[in-house]
Amino acid sequence: EDQVTQSPEALRLQEGESSSLNCSYTVSGLRGLFWYRQDPGKGPEFLFTLYSAGEEKEKERLKATLTKKESFLHITAPKPEDSATYLCAVKRTGGYQKVTFGTGTKLQVIP
Amino acid sequence: KAGVTQTPRYLIKTRGQQVTLSCSPISGHRSVSWYQQTPGQGLQFLFEYFSETQRNKGNFPGRFSGRQFSNSRSEMNVSTLELGDSALYLCASSDGGNTDTQYFGPGTRLTVL
Repeated sequence: EDQVTQSPEALRLQEGESSSLNCSYTVSGLRGLFWYRQDPGKGPEFLFTLYSAGEEKEKERLKATLTKKESFLHITAPKPEDSATYLCAVKRTGGYQKVTFGTGTKLQVIP
Repeated sequence: KAGVTQTPRYLIKTRGQQVTLSCSPISGHRSVSWYQQTPGQGLQFLFEYFSETQRNKGNFPGRFSGRQFSNSRSEMNVSTLELGDSALYLCASSDGGNTDTQYFGPGTRLTVL
C-alpha cells in the first residue's frame, strides 16, 4: 500500500527564518506528487504537482523539489501569512488510482 | 472560473440519522473525489466518480455511498450516523485526465451528537 510520511509534524519559525518540510513516500511507480496548503477549517489549496525526480517548481516563497524517495518544500524568508498546514500526497501509476495523503506539517511563523 | 462548491457548509445530526452532502465541481471537470478529514486520521479517501461511474473506492463501510449526475455534480450519503462520523468532508474535482491535480472545495463540517 502507498505510504506518505511528513516531517516534522509541527514547525515554528521566526519571520524570515528559512526552512524545509519533508515528505517521504513509498509507492510502486509514481504518477504524481502533490503539495497543498490548508488553513484551519478550510479545504486544501493546491500548490504544486511534481512528476519526476529532479523536477522543481516555485511559487513566491515556496519551492518544491522531488527525488525518487522524497520531496521537500522549501520556504524562503517566511511571513506570518505562510502559517498553515502543508499536505503532501502521491498517486501511483496504472489504471484509476486514488490519491494518498500524508498527515501534514503544521507551520507557524512568528512575527 | 468558479471553484468547487459544497453544500451545506455545516451540519449537526444525531446518531442514527442519515445525511446527504452535495458537491459541484469546477466547470469542465468530470472527476469528483470525496475525502473524510479528522484530526487523528488526516485525509482519508472515500470514493471517486468519473462520468457518473464510481471508479475507485476507499476502505469505508457501506453506510457511506455516493453518486454523480450527468452534469458532474456529486452527492455523498451517510446512513445510520455514528459519533465517529463527525468530520470535515471534502470534495475535490479534477479533469480526470493526465494532469491528475485535484482542486478542493471548502468542505462540509458534520457534527454527530
